[in-house]
Amino acid sequence: DIVLTQSPGTLSLSPGERATLSCRASQSVSTTFLAWYQQKPGQAPRLLIYGASSRATGIPDRFRGVGSGTDFTLTISRLEPEDFAVYYCQQYATFGQGTKVEIK
Amino acid sequence: QVQLVQSGAEVKKPGSSVKVSCSASGGTFSTDTISWVRQAPGQGLEWMGRVIPMYGTTDYAQSFQGRVTIIADESTSTAYLELSSLTSEDTAVYYCAREARKTWGYLTLGPFFDIWGQGTMVTVSS
Repeated sequence: DIVLTQSPGTLSLSPGERATLSCRASQSVSTTFLAWYQQKPGQAPRLLIYGASSRATGIPDRFRGVGSGTDFTLTISRLEPEDFAVYYCQQYATFGQGTKVEIK
Repeated sequence: QVQLVQSGAEVKKPGSSVKVSCSASGGTFSTDTISWVRQAPGQGLEWMGRVIPMYGTTDYAQSFQGRVTIIADESTSTAYLELSSLTSEDTAVYYCAREARKTWGYLTLGPFFDIWGQGTMVTVSS
Protein backbone atom coordinates (compact mmCIF):
# COMPACT_ATOMS: atom_id res chain seq x y z
CA ASP A 1 0.00 0.00 0.00
CA ILE A 2 1.11 3.53 -0.75
CA VAL A 3 1.99 5.65 2.26
CA LEU A 4 1.68 9.45 2.09
CA THR A 5 4.01 11.41 4.37
CA GLN A 6 3.30 15.08 4.91
CA SER A 7 5.79 17.64 6.13
CA PRO A 8 6.23 19.63 8.16
CA GLY A 9 3.88 18.48 10.88
CA THR A 10 3.25 22.08 11.90
CA LEU A 11 3.92 25.30 10.05
CA SER A 12 3.94 28.53 12.07
CA LEU A 13 3.41 31.55 9.85
CA SER A 14 1.92 35.03 9.89
CA PRO A 15 -0.98 36.27 7.75
CA GLY A 16 0.31 37.41 4.39
CA GLU A 17 3.16 34.93 4.34
CA ARG A 18 3.56 32.05 1.89
CA ALA A 19 2.91 28.49 3.04
CA THR A 20 4.52 25.49 1.38
CA LEU A 21 3.23 22.04 2.35
CA SER A 22 4.76 18.79 1.16
CA CYS A 23 3.21 15.38 0.51
CA ARG A 24 5.60 12.56 -0.34
CA ALA A 25 4.40 9.15 -1.56
CA SER A 26 6.19 5.89 -0.80
CA GLN A 27 5.99 5.01 -4.49
CA SER A 28 5.13 6.88 -7.66
CA VAL A 29 1.55 8.15 -7.85
CA SER A 30 -0.32 9.33 -10.90
CA THR A 31 -1.09 13.04 -10.68
CA THR A 32 -4.69 12.21 -11.53
CA PHE A 33 -5.16 10.60 -8.11
CA LEU A 34 -3.70 13.25 -5.78
CA ALA A 35 -6.03 15.57 -3.86
CA TRP A 36 -5.69 18.09 -1.03
CA TYR A 37 -8.19 18.99 1.71
CA GLN A 38 -8.48 21.69 4.34
CA GLN A 39 -10.02 20.97 7.72
CA LYS A 40 -10.90 23.47 10.42
CA PRO A 41 -11.69 22.49 14.02
CA GLY A 42 -15.12 20.94 14.37
CA GLN A 43 -15.71 20.88 10.63
CA ALA A 44 -15.62 18.26 7.91
CA PRO A 45 -12.73 18.35 5.46
CA ARG A 46 -13.15 20.56 2.40
CA LEU A 47 -11.79 19.63 -1.01
CA LEU A 48 -9.21 22.15 -2.27
CA ILE A 49 -7.32 20.48 -5.09
CA TYR A 50 -7.86 17.37 -7.19
CA GLY A 51 -5.76 15.85 -9.96
CA ALA A 52 -2.73 17.34 -8.16
CA SER A 53 -3.32 20.84 -9.57
CA SER A 54 -7.00 21.50 -10.34
CA ARG A 55 -8.77 23.78 -7.89
CA ALA A 56 -12.17 22.68 -6.67
CA THR A 57 -15.20 24.91 -7.17
CA GLY A 58 -14.96 28.13 -5.19
CA ILE A 59 -11.35 27.68 -4.08
CA PRO A 60 -9.38 30.94 -4.39
CA ASP A 61 -6.38 31.06 -6.67
CA ARG A 62 -3.96 31.64 -3.79
CA PHE A 63 -4.14 27.84 -3.38
CA ARG A 64 -1.92 26.04 -5.88
CA GLY A 65 -1.07 22.37 -6.17
CA VAL A 66 1.89 21.01 -8.10
CA GLY A 67 3.90 17.84 -8.28
CA SER A 68 4.42 14.49 -9.90
CA GLY A 69 5.84 11.07 -9.16
CA THR A 70 6.37 10.90 -5.43
CA ASP A 71 6.54 14.60 -4.54
CA PHE A 72 3.55 16.92 -4.35
CA THR A 73 3.25 20.42 -2.94
CA LEU A 74 0.39 22.64 -1.86
CA THR A 75 1.26 26.32 -1.81
CA ILE A 76 -0.82 29.08 -0.28
CA SER A 77 0.60 32.24 -1.77
CA ARG A 78 -0.53 34.74 0.88
CA LEU A 79 -2.11 33.39 4.03
CA GLU A 80 -5.48 34.83 4.95
CA PRO A 81 -6.79 34.49 8.52
CA GLU A 82 -9.26 31.81 7.38
CA ASP A 83 -6.45 29.64 5.95
CA PHE A 84 -5.10 28.58 9.34
CA ALA A 85 -6.20 24.96 9.49
CA VAL A 86 -5.01 21.39 8.98
CA TYR A 87 -4.29 20.21 5.44
CA TYR A 88 -4.37 16.62 4.19
CA CYS A 89 -3.25 15.03 0.95
CA GLN A 90 -5.06 11.95 -0.37
CA GLN A 91 -4.53 9.27 -2.97
CA TYR A 92 -7.33 6.77 -3.43
CA ALA A 93 -8.09 5.36 0.04
CA THR A 94 -4.95 6.77 1.67
CA PHE A 95 -4.59 10.07 3.49
CA GLY A 96 -1.45 11.76 4.71
CA GLN A 97 -1.22 12.47 8.43
CA GLY A 98 -1.81 16.18 7.94
CA THR A 99 0.05 19.48 8.26
CA LYS A 100 -1.23 22.08 10.69
CA VAL A 101 -0.80 25.67 9.58
CA GLU A 102 -0.93 27.83 12.70
CA ILE A 103 -0.63 31.53 13.39
CA LYS A 104 2.85 32.57 14.45
CA GLN B 1 -26.47 21.49 -4.64
CA VAL B 2 -25.69 18.05 -3.25
CA GLN B 3 -25.93 17.74 0.52
CA LEU B 4 -25.13 14.86 2.84
CA VAL B 5 -26.81 14.93 6.25
CA GLN B 6 -25.78 12.42 8.88
CA SER B 7 -27.54 11.05 11.94
CA GLY B 8 -26.79 12.29 15.42
CA ALA B 9 -24.17 11.42 17.99
CA GLU B 10 -24.09 7.96 19.54
CA VAL B 11 -22.77 6.54 22.81
CA LYS B 12 -22.16 2.80 22.76
CA LYS B 13 -20.88 0.12 25.09
CA PRO B 14 -17.79 -1.92 24.20
CA GLY B 15 -18.73 -5.01 22.21
CA SER B 16 -21.88 -3.47 20.78
CA SER B 17 -22.61 -2.18 17.27
CA VAL B 18 -23.43 1.23 15.86
CA LYS B 19 -25.30 2.22 12.73
CA VAL B 20 -24.84 5.69 11.26
CA SER B 21 -26.91 7.08 8.41
CA CYS B 22 -26.09 9.54 5.64
CA SER B 23 -28.99 11.07 3.75
CA ALA B 24 -28.31 12.61 0.33
CA SER B 25 -30.26 15.35 -1.40
CA GLY B 26 -29.89 17.45 -4.52
CA GLY B 27 -27.87 14.94 -6.53
CA THR B 28 -27.90 11.58 -8.30
CA PHE B 29 -27.53 9.25 -5.35
CA SER B 30 -27.89 6.02 -7.27
CA THR B 31 -24.93 6.64 -9.54
CA ASP B 32 -22.73 8.26 -6.90
CA THR B 33 -20.19 6.43 -4.78
CA ILE B 34 -20.46 7.07 -1.06
CA SER B 35 -17.45 6.50 1.17
CA TRP B 36 -17.10 6.50 4.94
CA VAL B 37 -14.08 8.12 6.56
CA ARG B 38 -13.42 8.32 10.28
CA GLN B 39 -11.29 10.57 12.46
CA ALA B 40 -10.29 9.68 15.99
CA PRO B 41 -9.90 12.60 18.42
CA GLY B 42 -6.85 14.66 17.46
CA GLN B 43 -5.94 12.22 14.69
CA GLY B 44 -6.00 12.09 10.90
CA LEU B 45 -8.47 10.73 8.37
CA GLU B 46 -8.99 7.01 7.84
CA TRP B 47 -10.97 5.59 4.92
CA MET B 48 -13.27 2.72 5.92
CA GLY B 49 -15.14 1.69 2.81
CA ARG B 50 -17.52 2.63 0.02
CA VAL B 51 -20.78 1.69 -1.63
CA ILE B 52 -22.20 2.30 -5.11
CA PRO B 53 -25.97 2.48 -4.50
CA MET B 54 -26.97 1.59 -8.08
CA TYR B 55 -25.20 -1.75 -7.91
CA GLY B 56 -25.06 -2.30 -4.17
CA THR B 57 -21.38 -3.08 -4.54
CA THR B 58 -19.09 -2.43 -1.63
CA ASP B 59 -15.38 -2.20 -0.94
CA TYR B 60 -13.90 -2.20 2.55
CA ALA B 61 -10.55 -1.25 4.02
CA GLN B 62 -8.62 -4.31 5.11
CA SER B 63 -8.39 -3.03 8.69
CA PHE B 64 -12.18 -3.12 9.03
CA GLN B 65 -12.96 -6.33 7.13
CA GLY B 66 -15.43 -8.48 9.01
CA ARG B 67 -16.54 -5.64 11.29
CA VAL B 68 -17.97 -3.12 8.88
CA THR B 69 -21.04 -3.18 6.66
CA ILE B 70 -22.00 -0.36 4.31
CA ILE B 71 -25.33 -0.42 2.54
CA ALA B 72 -27.39 2.03 0.50
CA ASP B 73 -31.14 2.45 0.21
CA GLU B 74 -31.93 4.01 -3.16
CA SER B 75 -35.58 4.58 -2.23
CA THR B 76 -34.57 7.02 0.51
CA SER B 77 -31.18 8.13 -0.91
CA THR B 78 -29.56 7.06 2.33
CA ALA B 79 -26.31 5.24 2.98
CA TYR B 80 -25.59 3.41 6.21
CA LEU B 81 -22.43 2.44 8.04
CA GLU B 82 -22.62 -0.35 10.60
CA LEU B 83 -19.60 -1.13 12.74
CA SER B 84 -19.63 -4.05 15.15
CA SER B 85 -17.53 -5.30 18.07
CA LEU B 86 -16.84 -1.76 19.16
CA THR B 87 -13.89 -0.88 21.37
CA SER B 88 -12.71 2.41 22.81
CA GLU B 89 -10.44 2.75 19.78
CA ASP B 90 -13.53 3.17 17.62
CA THR B 91 -14.34 6.43 19.37
CA ALA B 92 -14.22 8.89 16.50
CA VAL B 93 -16.12 11.22 14.22
CA TYR B 94 -17.50 9.27 11.28
CA TYR B 95 -17.99 11.11 7.98
CA CYS B 96 -19.74 10.08 4.81
CA ALA B 97 -18.39 11.63 1.64
CA ARG B 98 -19.26 11.56 -2.03
CA GLU B 99 -16.50 10.11 -4.15
CA ALA B 100 -16.16 11.97 -7.42
CA ARG B 101 -14.19 11.91 -10.62
CA LYS B 102 -13.76 14.57 -13.33
CA THR B 103 -13.18 13.69 -16.95
CA TRP B 104 -11.30 16.00 -19.29
CA GLY B 105 -11.33 14.38 -22.72
CA TYR B 106 -9.37 11.16 -22.32
CA LEU B 107 -8.14 12.05 -18.84
CA THR B 108 -10.02 11.12 -15.67
CA LEU B 109 -9.06 12.89 -12.46
CA GLY B 110 -9.86 11.24 -9.17
CA PRO B 111 -11.27 9.70 -7.15
CA PHE B 112 -11.56 12.47 -4.62
CA PHE B 113 -14.13 13.38 -1.99
CA ASP B 114 -15.98 16.53 -3.01
CA ILE B 115 -19.01 16.55 -0.71
CA TRP B 116 -18.88 15.61 2.97
CA GLY B 117 -21.49 15.05 5.63
CA GLN B 118 -21.27 17.04 8.84
CA GLY B 119 -19.89 14.07 10.78
CA THR B 120 -21.30 11.85 13.51
CA MET B 121 -19.52 11.49 16.84
CA VAL B 122 -19.48 7.92 18.10
CA THR B 123 -18.25 7.44 21.65
CA VAL B 124 -17.51 3.94 22.92
CA SER B 125 -17.42 3.83 26.68
CA SER B 126 -18.40 1.47 29.45
